[in-house]
Amino acid sequence: GESVGLHLPTLSVQEGDNSIINCAYSNSASDYFIWYKQESGKGPQFIIDIRSNMDKRQGQRVTVLLNKTVKHLSLQIAATQPGDSAVYFCAEKRNGGSQGNLIFGKGTKLSVKP
Amino acid sequence: NAGVMQNPRHLVRRRGQEARLRCSPMKGHSHVYWYRQLPEEGLKFMVYLQKENIIDESGMPKERFSAEFPKEGPSILRIQQVVRGDSAAYFCASSRAPGQWGSGTSTDTQYFGPGTRLTVL
Repeated sequence: GESVGLHLPTLSVQEGDNSIINCAYSNSASDYFIWYKQESGKGPQFIIDIRSNMDKRQGQRVTVLLNKTVKHLSLQIAATQPGDSAVYFCAEKRNGGSQGNLIFGKGTKLSVKP
Repeated sequence: NAGVMQNPRHLVRRRGQEARLRCSPMKGHSHVYWYRQLPEEGLKFMVYLQKENIIDESGMPKERFSAEFPKEGPSILRIQQVVRGDSAAYFCASSRAPGQWGSGTSTDTQYFGPGTRLTVL
């Protein structure tokens, strides 16, 4: 069935390096995408979002890239820090669907080595 | 500016008992969403509510589960006659309004609470 999925379940990076977390989606009707960070025992924390009429959006140390041709979304974290260690989820909202219904991927666990 | 609040943070119930999970949205938010998360998995949508209205309950199990968001007070997710398979983390999210894209974050961006971890013995 249609789903949001992640290419890599785990990612280990050295402190100070850049991290790239990837996400594939299968529904071309999706028009809004969000990245969340979830630390152990906590709720998902909003990081950055992007609409389907954009291909790039930048925040503080984070950049989200959207490639609608191949239905691919990525989160880039610059100068990764130990505090970035968490599970990262991408989520999509489908155009025409209930705005409440975010479809989440399974998550990528990011581990930052000091 | 308090975020989304959920209580209790941890809830233990025996099979057959009822579980009530509460969610207070962020100030100024009138839309509430409930999600369930099993270990090592992503969140699964359950229900979307506005004040006194259920907008989308397509993710809610047909039996034993119900949700409300009264005019006054928190949103409540109620699970009757709990079974072991109900053990999970339940997250509530809230948003200001749907469908508007502002200069920054969309006003329908969902912000999550800390969750309630339900354990059914």
